[in-house]
Amino acid sequence: DTAVSQTPKYLVTQMGNDKSIKCEQNLGHDTMYWYKQDSKKFLKIMFSYNNKELIINETVPNRFSPKSPDKAHLNLHINSLELGDSAVYFCASSQANSPLHFGNGTRLTVT
Amino acid sequence: AQRVTQPEKLLSVFKGAPVELKCNYSYSGSPELFWYVQYSRQRLQLLLRHISRESIKGFTADLNKGETSFHLKKPFAQEEDSAMYYCALKHDYKLSFGAGTTVTVRA
Repeated sequence: DTAVSQTPKYLVTQMGNDKSIKCEQNLGHDTMYWYKQDSKKFLKIMFSYNNKELIINETVPNRFSPKSPDKAHLNLHINSLELGDSAVYFCASSQANSPLHFGNGTRLTVT
Repeated sequence: AQRVTQPEKLLSVFKGAPVELKCNYSYSGSPELFWYVQYSRQRLQLLLRHISRESIKGFTADLNKGETSFHLKKPFAQEEDSAMYYCALKHDYKLSFGAGTTVTVRA
């Protein structure tokens, strides 16, 4: 059973479109995250939710909107996609001071 | 401010040779440090955390507070160790990563 699952695995879309990435964890963790891995492999946190409440919101354009319907799900919606949004987006979850568990990533390509 | 520095972007070693990946951190509190590994096009996986002081896949890492370092070491590298390695610092709810080191183990 996959602990942190993301869909889709690949996403190819055109500039200006709106797209969503979904994430679910079955670990019972309270905290979920979105990370962005750029073309240089830098990993940067975007958002974090704890028990459905936004607790971390790094400098991310307003076009990115996370939504957490319950503590097992954290979705990422992106409006008006730009070329620079092309990256691998990783979802992760953790509990208290436990390590983060990552999903397999969503490779987004904006053309 | 918190920061994790991995000075080596690329590291190439021969199979059977020792490998050491450097990680330095800056943090005003008590650090919680991790090493994560990412094999080609896969998810990040936890390799080590400093509080567990265990050896995983032959890797060890010791926290040196005096030098603010958490270097990752393995005495005999294997080809399957070729991957991207990230050092990370956890504080509050946040995990901040270094830039990563790509390790290539040559036969």
